[in-house]
Amino acid sequence: DTEVTQTPKHLVMGMTNKKSLKCEQHMGHRAMYWYKQKAKKPPELMFVYSYEKLSINESVPSRFSPECPNSSLLNLHLHALQPEDSALYLCASSQVFGTGNTGELFFGEGSRLTVL
Amino acid sequence: AQKVTQAQTEISVVEKEDVTLDCVYETRDTTYYLFWYKQPPSGELVFLIRRNSFDEQNEISGRYSWNFQKSTSSFNFTITASQVVDSAVYFCALSEAGGSQGNLIFGKGTKLSVKP
Repeated sequence: DTEVTQTPKHLVMGMTNKKSLKCEQHMGHRAMYWYKQKAKKPPELMFVYSYEKLSINESVPSRFSPECPNSSLLNLHLHALQPEDSALYLCASSQVFGTGNTGELFFGEGSRLTVL
Repeated sequence: AQKVTQAQTEISVVEKEDVTLDCVYETRDTTYYLFWYKQPPSGELVFLIRRNSFDEQNEISGRYSWNFQKSTSSFNFTITASQVVDSAVYFCALSEAGGSQGNLIFGKGTKLSVKP
């Protein structure tokens, strides 16, 4: 069983809706990530949080808004999405670089988003 | 430029056959890390192995084995006596020590189908 839990597993939303994806981990990791994966493509990095602070935003449109309330939780707030944003959104966690971490990420099962 | 190439898009084998998944990488960093992840239909990316650039020792874990050769920039993955449960998409990934936290550079993945 994965130690990174994502909810919901499936989400269907209209272009005017506001929804949120949630991610939780209890491995004591202080780095958390959002990746986006389109069908038959590899995952692409969206955001990185280190010690609950946003450290990387890979030029993601503002209709995606990440939030890290504490070291165990990571949210992705969605607003005014487009149909092309339909994808699998994967959350991951790891130790932070410089603390012995060699980049090993642990992923959740993902939230499959469909935008109508 | 960093790049990971998985030339095999899809592979189909019959149960109990051995299968090798190829991975070739490009990087200018002298310190880097290589990974293999398995993605079953459920969506979760399952970590299989991490290898750093200073450790060319091959590794065996049960039916899985990995052959890391810096001379050819390859990190190939072999499954011995394949089973139906091995059916998944397998991603090879690269992380550079000089790169940003969590930015795994994924190959395009190889879809492995193991038929009974």
